[in-house]
Amino acid sequence: GAVVSQHPSRVICKSGTSVKIECRSLDFQATTMFWYRQFPKQSLMLMATSNEGSKATYEQGVEKDKFLINHASLTLSTLTVTSAHPEDSSFYICSAPFPDTQYFGPGTRLTVL
Amino acid sequence: RKEVEQDPGPFNVPEGATVAFNCTYSNSASQSFFWYRQDCRKEPKLLMSVYSSGNEDGRFTAQLNRASQYISLLIRDSKLSDSATYLCVVNSRSSGSARQLTFGSGTQLTVLP
Repeated sequence: GAVVSQHPSRVICKSGTSVKIECRSLDFQATTMFWYRQFPKQSLMLMATSNEGSKATYEQGVEKDKFLINHASLTLSTLTVTSAHPEDSSFYICSAPFPDTQYFGPGTRLTVL
Repeated sequence: RKEVEQDPGPFNVPEGATVAFNCTYSNSASQSFFWYRQDCRKEPKLLMSVYSSGNEDGRFTAQLNRASQYISLLIRDSKLSDSATYLCVVNSRSSGSARQLTFGSGTQLTVLP
């Protein structure tokens, strides 16, 4: 099956700092990628759709200025959590469609102190 | 009403038991349906797609009833390794060639020795 990687797998940072998470499709091209967030014991919630060469589409209630998304190439999308706060601590997962379903990266566990 | 609803469980069953999970979805225009499996603190992984005619993969059988907007997953002869959270997933919107997935909250299964 298709492979999607994410980096880093775990990050701990101080409140107020910014954190960048990378999502790569390793053996296929992805013009679209999706970013999800999952809080403990809850389901995945779609945050935004990342589009190569154009602006990301954000879900209702997700601040685009806080969660910056850049899809610079057909294999890389990045999510930057700006001025992170403890309430941003969560499991962030990206996915890319191939061909009719989606494959997920291994996720990034963010802890903001 | 949630777009995808599942019984959260937990289901605790003995090894060898047969267990069934149910799911309903609200968007009648949905076209693709999946069951994903998520282990604790890991990313979701595709278990199987669900087709109108029903489909089977080893010990796993998935059924779809479009009229009732109902999806099911049956696991026969359950193994300890089947312990996980099972996510009912439906495509809800299209974005070009990619489709956005909507996740149910998941049903937790624990298979006991």
